[in-house]
Amino acid sequence: AQSVTQLDSHVSVSEGTPVLLRCNYSSSYSPSLFWYVQHPNKGLQLLLKYTSAATLVKGINGFEAEFKKSETSFHLTKPSAHMSDAAEYFCVVSLYGGATNKLIFGTGTLLAVQP
Amino acid sequence: KAGVTQTPRYLIKTRGQQVTLSCSPISGHRSVSWYQQTPGQGLQFLFEYFSETQRNKGNFPGRFSGRQFSNSRSEMNVSTLELGDSALYLCASSLDGIPAYGYTFGSGTRLTVV
Repeated sequence: AQSVTQLDSHVSVSEGTPVLLRCNYSSSYSPSLFWYVQHPNKGLQLLLKYTSAATLVKGINGFEAEFKKSETSFHLTKPSAHMSDAAEYFCVVSLYGGATNKLIFGTGTLLAVQP
Repeated sequence: KAGVTQTPRYLIKTRGQQVTLSCSPISGHRSVSWYQQTPGQGLQFLFEYFSETQRNKGNFPGRFSGRQFSNSRSEMNVSTLELGDSALYLCASSLDGIPAYGYTFGSGTRLTVV
C-alpha cells in the first residue's frame, strides 16, 4: 500500500537559513510524489512533483526535492527561507488506475520562519 | 484561465441539517475530486467524479454524496450533519483524473456544524 510519512510536524527556521522538510514514502511500485503548500485559510498549491523523470525536481519559489529510491525519501529543501514561506507543507503520493485515482496526504509539516 | 471555484467559502449549519457544496473546475477539466481536511484526520479523499460518473470513492458514510453535471461542475452533499463533519472541504480539478498530470485545488469551503 502507498503511504507517506512526514517526519516533523513542526519546523522553525530563521529567515535566510536553509529549509529541510523530511518525507519518507512507501510504495509497491514507482510512485508519483508531490509537495503541496497550504497558507492559512487557503487551498493547496502544488510546489513540485516527481513522476519518474529526473530525481532532482525543481519547483516554484526556489523549492526543490530529491527522490532517493534507496532511502525511500523525498525531502523538500530551499537554500534560504523567506517570511512568506511560513505555511503548512504536505508530502503526497498518488494512486492511479481506473477506480483508484486519488492523492494520499502526509500529516503535514508546519513551517515557521523567524525574523 | 480561471481557477477552481468553490462556493460558498464559509457555512454554519446545525446538527441534523443537510448541506450542499459546489465546485466549478477549470474549463476543460473533466475530473473533480473532493477531500475533507480536519485537524484530527488530516486530508482524506471523499470521491472523484469524471464525465458525470462517480469513478472512485473513499471510506466515508453514505451521508456523503456527490454528483457532477454535464459542464463538469460538481456538488457535494452531506445529509444529517454531525459535529464531526466540521471541516474544510477542498475540491481538486484535473484534466482526466490522473494524479501525475496534476490537480488544481480550490480555496475550499469551511463548514462549521453547531
